[in-house]
Amino acid sequence: NAGVMQNPRHLVRRRGQEARLRCSPMKGHSHVYWYRQLPEEGLKFMVYLQKENIIDESGMPKERFSAEFPKEGPSILRIQQVVRGDSAAYFCASSPRSQGHSNQPQHFGDGTRLSIL
Amino acid sequence: GESVGLHLPTLSVQEGDNSIINCAYSNSASDYFIWYKQESGKGPQFIIDIRSNMDKRQGQRVTVLLNKTVKHLSLQIAATQPGDSAVYFCADSSNTGKLIFGQGTTLQVKP
Repeated sequence: NAGVMQNPRHLVRRRGQEARLRCSPMKGHSHVYWYRQLPEEGLKFMVYLQKENIIDESGMPKERFSAEFPKEGPSILRIQQVVRGDSAAYFCASSPRSQGHSNQPQHFGDGTRLSIL
Repeated sequence: GESVGLHLPTLSVQEGDNSIINCAYSNSASDYFIWYKQESGKGPQFIIDIRSNMDKRQGQRVTVLLNKTVKHLSLQIAATQPGDSAVYFCADSSNTGKLIFGQGTTLQVKP
């Protein structure tokens, strides 16, 4: 009964490179959420996706960041031209349906720690 | 804007004692709240949730209390164990699905 799977667990990039973070939701879950966590802080919402649809991207920076959840395969969070300030832990969560409609908790993966040199 | 906050950044308790972790929220329209536990190097782990039509909900060794009048909720852990040491977050779920997290309280359990 696999949980939310994220890879890689650790990712090191140099400034200006691209970072791709992957998330496979729990089996049967069709809703994916991405969050960012800085040290000593709570998680900050970035984006909410369903298969092939972005539902809410109000937490995504306007530039360099994008997310997708294709019909087949994992959800991808992509950060282009990374800068030092992108260093953080990025968490993915999934739920079987929209939390707002069913009040079902989101289940989280163990995150990707992104370090920018 | 909406915010969720915890009252104390760190709580230190003796093993076997009860722990109470507090959280305040600002959005009166919030209708669903979740407590998560996060251990070092891991993702948040679901502990317990509560809907706004309830005042109290109990799980195994944990109880969540919700006071909508003052927009406050608390997590009570009975007979705290060393394995309970972690950072605890309350989160408020909006009707759009996204979670608004508080800053977290670090629970330290002394043997």
